[in-house]
This record gives sequence, C-alpha cells and structure tokens, in this order.
Amino acid sequence: EPEVTQTPSHQVTQMGQEVILRCVPISNHLYFYWYRQILGQKVEFLVSFYNNEISEKSEIFDDQFSVERPDGSNFTLKIRSTKLEDSAMYFCASRTRGDGTGELFFGEGSRLTVL
Amino acid sequence: RKEVEQDPGPFNVPEGATVAFNCTYSNSASQSFFWYRQDCRKEPKLLMSVYSSGNEDGRFTAQLNRASQYISLLIRDSKLSDSATYLCVVNKAGKSTFGDGTTLTVKP
Repeated sequence: EPEVTQTPSHQVTQMGQEVILRCVPISNHLYFYWYRQILGQKVEFLVSFYNNEISEKSEIFDDQFSVERPDGSNFTLKIRSTKLEDSAMYFCASRTRGDGTGELFFGEGSRLTVL
Repeated sequence: RKEVEQDPGPFNVPEGATVAFNCTYSNSASQSFFWYRQDCRKEPKLLMSVYSSGNEDGRFTAQLNRASQYISLLIRDSKLSDSATYLCVVNKAGKSTFGDGTTLTVKP
C-alpha cells in the first residue's frame, strides 16, 4: 500500500539551528500538508501546498518556516532558527484532491527536540 | 468558539461497553467529515468517513447532522485494542481542521 514517508524520525537540535524535515508524499497525490503536534496537545495545521506554491498557512507558520518541493518527490519543511517551543511531532500528509473532500494520508512523523 | 469541538473525555469503559463520542463544528460551509484514530505517539489514521446518511463499519457507526453541525461516533462491544485517541476532522477547501481528540481507555 502506498504511504507517506518522513525523515528523520527523530532529530535533536540546539536552539537557533536550522532544521529541515523531509517528506515523500504518495506519488499520485497533488496536495501536501504539514501539521504539528506538541506533546499532549492537538494536531495543528501549519501549511498546505499545491502546484508548487503555498495554498494556505496558519498563524504558526511564520517567517521562520518555509516549505519547498525541490524535485518531483520530496516535500520539505525548513525551520530557520529553531526555538524551544518548536519541539513537537511534525506530520506530513498528502491527498489526491484539494477540494476538501478527500482523506488525508499521514506519514509517521518527525519528532523534533530543541534543546 | 473552536472550529471543531469534541467531548473532552477521557472515557474509561469496560470491555464490551458501548461508547459514543460527539463533535461539533462551527463552519456551516464545511464539506467533509472524518473520524481518525491516533495511538500514543503515532500518526493519525483514518477510521471512517462520515456521511449524512450515516455509515457503519463493523462495530463502528458514524453519523453527521449538517443542520446541527454535529458529528458522532458510536463504538459497540468495545475491545482493549480500541484504546486510543479519537479525532474529529472537518474539511473545507482542502484544509483539514482537527478537534482536540477524545481519549478512550478500554479496561478488561
């Protein structure tokens, strides 16, 4: 069964460092997302991406965050200068349809720990 | 008001019990609705879609009431393996908004 894959599964970094989280969405999916879940809290929307540009972003997704699809398969989330409060599980997701009717498929997540 | 609001829980039930979760959403233009299940420190996984006509998958029944902007999930004959957090998800224009989740613990 096709799946969304994410790397790394866990990254530990020092405050102020740059971090890049990588995702390979399901191959025939067109819409890509990053979500964040701080330990013990809800799943929060960060950004959606379609046709090589951001469709929507949340208040959390400030200038420290960026996304990119550098080639036909990878979808990356970059945090330029990490803060302690960026520590969370970051989930990549994809779907075939962007009209709001389709199911989201999630990767297993990348756990980011900022020290 | 939260966009998606769920029963706060937690729910602690014995095996074999029937348990119901409720969810309300604020945006009447929301297009589609889902229940996801999330195990501890894992990714959310689709449990079932929710339709106005109601849908059933084995022990699980989901219902949508668009007029009341209300979604429900009923689990019959609970199993130990049903222990998880259940997330109500509402879609609009490609964006999925999650409820806080309701944690279920099924005990022997």
